[in-house]
Amino acid sequence: DIQMTQSPSSLSASVGDRVTITCQASQDIRKFLNWYQQKPGKAPKLLIYDASNLETGVPSRFGGSGSGTDFTFTISSLQSEDIATYYCQHYDTLALTFGQGTRLEIK
Amino acid sequence: QVHLVESGGGVVQPGRSQRLSCATSGFTFDNYDIHWVRQAPGKGLEWVAVISYDGSHKSYGPSVKGRFTISRDESRNTVYLQMNSLRGEDTAVYYCSREAVRGVLQYWGQGTLVIVSS
Repeated sequence: DIQMTQSPSSLSASVGDRVTITCQASQDIRKFLNWYQQKPGKAPKLLIYDASNLETGVPSRFGGSGSGTDFTFTISSLQSEDIATYYCQHYDTLALTFGQGTRLEIK
Repeated sequence: QVHLVESGGGVVQPGRSQRLSCATSGFTFDNYDIHWVRQAPGKGLEWVAVISYDGSHKSYGPSVKGRFTISRDESRNTVYLQMNSLRGEDTAVYYCSREAVRGVLQYWGQGTLVIVSS
């Protein structure tokens, strides 16, 4: 089974900061890595699919990159409404694996 | 407009069964795979199960395999999760989600809370 290691587990940043979260796969997953945002008490929301594609309607300050085993999620300029937990996720033959999540807080 | 609405949650005793429903609308039901994902209180997301668009393929996460069964009813545009032999660690909010392609979970329901407790 493929394991996804996400880091950091929590992050504190100021409004306007550039924020980076990483996700590492235990083996090559090509570009099949997605990123979700979850606000407290809400369902997750798809932000990025296939490593770098922005879901329709998602602000352009969100971005993703990487392929193979190493992936990065970036918020170019943190806004107060971005406070949430972020998850990476991989799909492999009718099974999904989520990263452990990164809780993002405002400093 | 795509909608998924979960129901069937509540308090259930350990060892008992519960069936969750995911009612869908706003899209062609039999064109899409549907997943269940759960989240224990204060914890991360855990994938539970998937059923393919035509019901021919089903897959389960390791912690529920052999106890949970996913199914779909094309006439009701609804996906079910039958949960048997429930344990305390099954306590969670259960979300259903429509897959776009290759495990991309594009649309989500609001979730339904299952509490397993005596």
